[in-house]
Amino acid sequence: KQEVTQIPAALSVPEGENLVLNCSFTDSAIYNLQWFRQDPGKGLTSLLLIQSSQREQTSGRLNASLDKSSGRSTLYIAASQPGDSATYLCAVPYSGGGADGLTFGKGTHLIIQP
Amino acid sequence: NAGVTQTPKFQVLKTGQSMTLQCAQDMNHEYMSWYRQDPGMGLRLIHYSVGAGITDQGEVPNGYNVSRSTTEDFPLRLLSAAPSQTSVYFCASSSQALGEKLFFGSGTQLSVL
Repeated sequence: KQEVTQIPAALSVPEGENLVLNCSFTDSAIYNLQWFRQDPGKGLTSLLLIQSSQREQTSGRLNASLDKSSGRSTLYIAASQPGDSATYLCAVPYSGGGADGLTFGKGTHLIIQP
Repeated sequence: NAGVTQTPKFQVLKTGQSMTLQCAQDMNHEYMSWYRQDPGMGLRLIHYSVGAGITDQGEVPNGYNVSRSTTEDFPLRLLSAAPSQTSVYFCASSSQALGEKLFFGSGTQLSVL
């Protein structure tokens, strides 16, 4: 069974710092990986999706990398801002024979101090 | 741009009551799914659908029922609510099963007393 782990569980940094969030998965036979953002009391927003053939994806100040062979992904946030404060989750597809769904990590709760 | 719309936002039920959580998307997505989110457990898949008339079970389907009569709508029914079903429920959709980004609704916070 696929398991997804995110480290650290919580992170608090001053505004302006660059930071890295980590995600690891046990089964490397994935065909993509998504990073999501969740604000308190809200739904999830997909930030980046990396296909298995890609090594990284970039969107603005966000850069996600994928190393399938080692079962790892990182989300790099440049020049952090208070508005980046949220919980960040990574997820990979799993299939029990059909399309099934995503297996999620428990998330990293990020606080950016003004 | 409505995206994925869930209703209600909050609901309180008594044990044994039934109810339906509504989910609608206006993006013509074939794939729709329901997750529950619990502290310490993360998000877990309840049911999913790859198109109208097609549904299947996810990781935690017991106590829930779904149907998909149209592309737009994917309601989740609680047949006889139990306190263990107290959770936040999210509906999500995608244009290509799990090959594209998943779009989430804003969630329904359900308490079963």
